[in-house]
Amino acid sequence: SQTIHQWPATLVQPVGSPLSLECTVEGTSNPNLYWYRQAAGRGLQLLFYSVGIGQISSEVPQNLSASRPQDRQFILSSKKLLLSDSGFYLCAWMRTGINEKLFFGSGTQLSVL
Amino acid sequence: EDQVTQSPEALRLQEGESSSLNCSYTVSGLRGLFWYRQDPGKGPEFLFTLYSAGEEKEKERLKATLTKKESFLHITAPKPEDSATYLCAVQYDYKLSFGAGTTVTVRA
Repeated sequence: SQTIHQWPATLVQPVGSPLSLECTVEGTSNPNLYWYRQAAGRGLQLLFYSVGIGQISSEVPQNLSASRPQDRQFILSSKKLLLSDSGFYLCAWMRTGINEKLFFGSGTQLSVL
Repeated sequence: EDQVTQSPEALRLQEGESSSLNCSYTVSGLRGLFWYRQDPGKGPEFLFTLYSAGEEKEKERLKATLTKKESFLHITAPKPEDSATYLCAVQYDYKLSFGAGTTVTVRA
């Protein structure tokens, strides 16, 4: 069966510090991968998605970047965090084909102080 | 612009009091409408996918229906464990666009 791992679960970072969130998927090959952000009391905002190694599409211009160095690894990064980067970050993968579904990781709560 | 709107924002129910959540959408080329359940501090959990108007799906006390412009999630005789935020999303291409969610609180 497929599983998705996302870490860390909680992160507190000072303004101006770098960020690296990692997500890995097991049990499938060439998945579509996604990073979403959820601000308190708001819906999920799609940040990046990837349909293959090295292929990254950005949905919202911002202080963040994403990379996919391996087939089942997706990384969200920032060189200098802003207060507005605080939120709940979710990695997800899509099972494509018939009955497409999006499966989420457990999320990372990021607080920028 | 594609858009998903959920209502109400919050719903407080007494145990056993049935109700419905609404998800209205405007999207060209809908590939599917999804419902998720999200508990505080956790990732959303998949509930249903609906593909065409008139389609219905059920899971325990939840039933999802779809028309050309909106979807409903009916909660029948809810229990406290049904308390959660319910998210609706529409799929276009390989992306899902989410609504802001409806937070349901069921009191015993």
